[in-house]
Amino acid sequence: GAVVSQHPSRVICKSGTSVKIECRSLDFQATTMFWYRQFPKQSLMLMATSNEGSKATYEQGVEKDKFLINHASLTLSTLTVTSAHPEDSSFYICSAPRGRSTDTQYFGPGTRLTVL
Amino acid sequence: SQQGEEDPQALSIQEGENATMNCSYKTSINNLQWYRQNSGRGLVHLILIRSNEREKHSGRLRVTLDTSKKSSSLLITASRAADTASYFCATDAEKGGSEKLVFGKGTKLTVNP
Repeated sequence: GAVVSQHPSRVICKSGTSVKIECRSLDFQATTMFWYRQFPKQSLMLMATSNEGSKATYEQGVEKDKFLINHASLTLSTLTVTSAHPEDSSFYICSAPRGRSTDTQYFGPGTRLTVL
Repeated sequence: SQQGEEDPQALSIQEGENATMNCSYKTSINNLQWYRQNSGRGLVHLILIRSNEREKHSGRLRVTLDTSKKSSSLLITASRAADTASYFCATDAEKGGSEKLVFGKGTKLTVNP
């Protein structure tokens, strides 16, 4: 079946540094990928839609300069948390729909970011 | 914004019992999906029910959808300790062609052996 991978699975960084998270669709092409953030014991909050060949679409309240998204190819989207602060510590999950509908959307295993 | 609202927020049952979780949403949808998440892990797709369907089964899972009430339920029968996880409903937007999913707050299910 379709698989979406994320790398790294865990990252610990110092405050002020930037962290890049990769999301890859392994056996299908994805012109669109989604990035979610999840705080402990809470639901997934959509941060942005990553579009191959064009700019990402950010949800209201998400700082585009803080969370840089680059959809480099049809199988790779990256999320860079710039100048990370402790409040950016969270679980970040990506997903990729197969085709144009939400019927078959596959989720990555998530990346746990801890900013000290 | 979060559209789905699950209840209960937490549910604790004994192995072998049935678990029922509910989800309500606010806008018209094309389909509603249920996902499972083990602690600190990614999401696993469980089942999708379309807006023109009322009930769907998959193994020990039974999902109902009532579009007039904008609600859905997930029933897990004969629960097992391995079913312990958080369960989320997710809805898409009927209009606009968006592939975005909006997740509910989730129900944390604990199945005690």
